Amino acid sequence: AQSVTQLDSQVPVFEEAPVELRCNYSSSVSVYLFWYVQYPNQGLQLLLKYLSGSTLVKGINGFEAEFNKSQTSFHLRKPSVHISDTAEYFCAVRKAAGNKLTFGGGTRVLVKP
Amino acid sequence: DTEVTQTPKHLVMGMTNKKSLKCEQHMGHRAMYWYKQKAKKPPELMFVYSYEKLSINESVPSRFSPECPNSSLLNLHLHALQPEDSALYLCASSQGVRDRAQETQYFGPGTRLLVL
Repeated sequence: AQSVTQLDSQVPVFEEAPVELRCNYSSSVSVYLFWYVQYPNQGLQLLLKYLSGSTLVKGINGFEAEFNKSQTSFHLRKPSVHISDTAEYFCAVRKAAGNKLTFGGGTRVLVKP
Repeated sequence: DTEVTQTPKHLVMGMTNKKSLKCEQHMGHRAMYWYKQKAKKPPELMFVYSYEKLSINESVPSRFSPECPNSSLLNLHLHALQPEDSALYLCASSQGVRDRAQETQYFGPGTRLLVL
């Protein structure tokens, strides 16, 4: 079985500062990796995904993530955050052969002016 | 268009009521999912339908009854719920294709359920 650990439950950050959200996973088989964002009182929106190829993945809203197989990590970054980036961020993995997502515990990002 | 719609947005029900949640997608996806999300927690998978057939039931109590009447619609029938069932119920869909690399789940906005 696979598992996902998001190392920070909360990340406060000032507006226009960079942010990095950490995600580590464990799995005995090949997986695909995803980041979702959940704004207050909304559903989940796909930010980006890693399926194969280049390990640096660019997503929506200026986010990017880097897949590191040796460290089993998929950290999410944004060079300059906005107030509107205040949300909960979930890292998720899916076995290559399946369709079931396993989510991390989430990281709450609070952007301060 | 990657839209999944859910109705109603909010629902309040008593423990003896029967109600239904509805989910719809028009992306031609053949896999649909129900998740339950409690406050400050990640979504928990409840059911998966693949090609209108139930393929995964994560040991969900029988007071939750899913139904997939066609490839675009997914319902969740609720009966005799408990207050601890209060949560955000999320629907998702994915392509359901043989090439699993292309499988990406797209989520609806959710139905916020309160059981009194």
